[in-house]
Amino acid sequence: NAGVTQTPKFQVLKTGQSMTLQCAQDMNHEYMSWYRQDPGMGLRLIHYSVGAGITDQGEVPNGYNVSRSTTEDFPLRLLSAAPSQTSVYFCASSIAGGPSNEQFFGPGTRLTVL
Amino acid sequence: GNSVTQMEGPVTLSEEAFLTINCTYTATGYPSLFWYVQYPGEGLQLLLKATKADDKGSNKGFEATYRKETTSFHLEKGSVQVSDSAVYFCALSGGGSEKLVFGKGMKLTVNP
Repeated sequence: NAGVTQTPKFQVLKTGQSMTLQCAQDMNHEYMSWYRQDPGMGLRLIHYSVGAGITDQGEVPNGYNVSRSTTEDFPLRLLSAAPSQTSVYFCASSIAGGPSNEQFFGPGTRLTVL
Repeated sequence: GNSVTQMEGPVTLSEEAFLTINCTYTATGYPSLFWYVQYPGEGLQLLLKATKADDKGSNKGFEATYRKETTSFHLEKGSVQVSDSAVYFCALSGGGSEKLVFGKGMKLTVNP
C-alpha cells in the first residue's frame, strides 16, 4: 500500500508556464483534495472531489484546474504559473467526505515560480 | 464560516517539559476536531481526533479534550521528547461543511 503519492517532489517554473502536479492513491478513497501551504497561512484548500467525475472549488481555486476521471488520480493543473503560486502543495484523500474521517496526506510538491 | 485559531509560535522547549498548544474554533453545529502533525520534510499525519463534546483524543502521549462550552481543543503532552519536534495543526470539519479547515500551525522545537 503506497498510500498517497505525489510527483514531482520539486519543480521550478518560469512565469507563464503550465504544468500538472500528479496525485494518486491506492486506498480506494472517494474523497480527494488539494491544499497549498504557505508560511504563516496554514493549509488552504484549492479544489476537492467527492468522487470520480465530481470536483468543486475550495478556498483558493483561481489559477488552478482539476479533473477526476478515475477514483485513484486527482491531478492539479497550473494554467499559467505566477510567482504567487510559489508554495508547497499537498494532496490528501479520505474514505469519504464525512466530517469525522481522517485525511491521508501525500509528501508534498515544492513549487517555485520565477 | 468555520474557522480555527491556534497558537502560532514558534516554540522551543527543553526535553521533558510540559507542552500546551491552544486551539479554539468557530463552527455551527457539532464539528469534528483534529490535531495533525507535520514532521520535517513530510506531509501531515493525523495525531488525534475527537468527534463529539467531552471526547478525549489521545496518541503518542498527546491528549486533547473537545470542550464545547469553551469551543476549544487544546493539545497537551506531559513530557516532550526531541522526536516531537514538528509543526502542529489544529483542524475541524463538519458544522455544515465536509471541508477540513486548518489553523495556521505551530512549530515546536524540542532541545535535548
